[in-house]
Amino acid sequence: EDQVTQSPEALRLQEGESSSLNCSYTVSGLRGLFWYRQDPGKGPEFLFTLYSAGEEKEKERLKATLTKKESFLHITAPKPEDSATYLCAVLSNSGYALNFGKGTSLLVTP
Amino acid sequence: EAGVTQFPSHSVIEKGQTVTLRCDPISGHDNLYWYRRVMGKEIKFLLHFVKESKQDESGMPNNRFLAERTGGTYSTLKVQPAELEDSGVYFCASSAFPGDSDTQYFGPGTRLTVL
Repeated sequence: EDQVTQSPEALRLQEGESSSLNCSYTVSGLRGLFWYRQDPGKGPEFLFTLYSAGEEKEKERLKATLTKKESFLHITAPKPEDSATYLCAVLSNSGYALNFGKGTSLLVTP
Repeated sequence: EAGVTQFPSHSVIEKGQTVTLRCDPISGHDNLYWYRRVMGKEIKFLLHFVKESKQDESGMPNNRFLAERTGGTYSTLKVQPAELEDSGVYFCASSAFPGDSDTQYFGPGTRLTVL
């Protein structure tokens, strides 16, 4: 059975303090690993898709990387507006159902 | 381009009542998905439509849940009769097929509270 584990559960950073969020996964055959951002009271907002080990994607202060067992979401010099819950999900070759982790709640303080 | 929309945003009902949730996918998206997040748990898959056909309903918890997508456009998810454990946030997502890299775009969700 596919499993996705995100760590830490919660992270508090000072503005400008870079850090990384982790997503460990086991899947029978990976078709894609997805990162979403979720703000309170809203739905998940798509950030990145990664397909194979070694792949990297960047968007503003965010950079996602992928290995055969885990993905990292690096946040460089975060700002308070980066505060949100970051969700990781995997899509296997067996279907189209996203398998989500519980998320990391990020708080960036001024 | 309009995103995925869901109605209502909140619903509070008594145990035993019926509730119908609606989802309008992104225009032109053949794939429509329902997910649910219950308190303290991760978002879980419920089912997947391709146009009007149910492709995968392996995540539906029991026969009190009925999803339809008549005409391959909007979808409804009916819970009848509702139980306390059905409380949670119900998300709808859609994706284009083929192409678009399997990316699923989510709506804002419907928060269901069963008292």
